[in-house]
Amino acid sequence: TQLLEQSPQFLSIQEGENLTVYCNSSSVFSSLQWYRQEPGEGPVLLVTVVTGGEVKKLKRLTFQFGDARKDSSLHITAAQPGDTGLYLCAGAPGGTYKYIFGTGTRLKVLA
Amino acid sequence: ETGVTQTPRHLVMGMTNKKSLKCEQHLGHNAMYWYKQSAKKPLELMFVYNFKEQTENNSVPSRFSPECPNSSHLFLHLHTLQPEDSALYLCASSQGSQASDSETQYFGPGTRLLVL
Repeated sequence: TQLLEQSPQFLSIQEGENLTVYCNSSSVFSSLQWYRQEPGEGPVLLVTVVTGGEVKKLKRLTFQFGDARKDSSLHITAAQPGDTGLYLCAGAPGGTYKYIFGTGTRLKVLA
Repeated sequence: ETGVTQTPRHLVMGMTNKKSLKCEQHLGHNAMYWYKQSAKKPLELMFVYNFKEQTENNSVPSRFSPECPNSSHLFLHLHTLQPEDSALYLCASSQGSQASDSETQYFGPGTRLLVL
């Protein structure tokens, strides 16, 4: 069974702090996605990474895909209250639509 | 607004009831998905439809019955559910191209189901 473990599970920080969320697996994925889900809404895609070692930046968010394509990280610089939400990673084994979602990291940024 | 709508947004039902969840996408996509999101478990893929054909049934109990009459609509028929089936049920859609395994999925807001 392919699993994606995220850490930490919960994170509460002050506005302006930096944070990193990790997504780890023992399996290899051909691509990995990060989503953010706000209360009462479905997850919204933030980024897709497909190449081992790839780094993508989206304003204050930096995403990295591990060289072996088994893990990924999300780093947020100068967190804002608007970053509050549930962050989910999802991996797709090659050639399928069967996305496997991580356990989630619930982030709260205090003003 | 992601272009994927779900109704109802909230549903309370008894174990002997029959109800249906509806999902509609206005994005011209060809693949549609049902997911279950529980408080204590990761988001779980239930069913996948690609060009109206079911391509994935992730060992879902038969008390959940999907229906995809066309590429824009997806239903989940519920019958004799258990309290442990209480969860947020999310619908998603994607382009459905066979060429990519990194497709963007667009999620609806979900139906929060409580089974008494």
